[in-house]
Amino acid sequence: AQSVSQHNHHVILSEAASLELGCNYSYGGTVNLFWYVQYPGQHLQLLLKYFSGDPLVKGIKGFEAEFIKSKFSFNLRKPSVQWSDTAEYFCAVKIYNQGGKLIFGQGTELSVKP
Amino acid sequence: DTAVSQTPKYLVTQMGNDKSIKCEQNLGHDTMYWYKQDSKKFLKIMFSYNNKELIINETVPNRFSPKSPDKAHLNLHINSLELGDSAVYFCASSQATGTTEAFFGQGTRLTVV
Repeated sequence: AQSVSQHNHHVILSEAASLELGCNYSYGGTVNLFWYVQYPGQHLQLLLKYFSGDPLVKGIKGFEAEFIKSKFSFNLRKPSVQWSDTAEYFCAVKIYNQGGKLIFGQGTELSVKP
Repeated sequence: DTAVSQTPKYLVTQMGNDKSIKCEQNLGHDTMYWYKQDSKKFLKIMFSYNNKELIINETVPNRFSPKSPDKAHLNLHINSLELGDSAVYFCASSQATGTTEAFFGQGTRLTVV
């Protein structure tokens, strides 16, 4: 079955630390990849997306992600986190020709200590 | 200028009641979705409509019935509410089903008591 796995359930960092959140998916065909962020009590907002081309994609707020097709991975990175990055982060995969549905990972809660 | 708006934001109701959640998007998208986020924050698709036609219906109980009067609206009606229906329900929309991202509403927190 198609699935998305996020490696970390809860990550705690101090401000200015570097962040890497892992995401792997299980599907061998064409996919679109996304990272969404959910700030406390709010809706999901798109951080970045990969459709094709350069596997290193840059998103909002200094986030970037790298698509490694051979590893079925799409890890999220940020060189220096801020307290305001405290949120839940979701990796999602859209599989070609499946009606546009997103398959989400279980989410990673990021807590940044000031 | 909210892109995807849902009402209500909070809904508290008793078991056995019937309730509806409304969703509207002003992005001109032709595909709309309902997702359920459970207490562990796991998100799973429930339904998807493309141009008012149902195209995705995941294994959701028959008590849940989506209705799309036009491509800008997708409502969710829930009959005979159960405790396990308590969750946050997110509406989303995207342009077609191809290489586009989905935009999400602010969510409806449903609590069944």
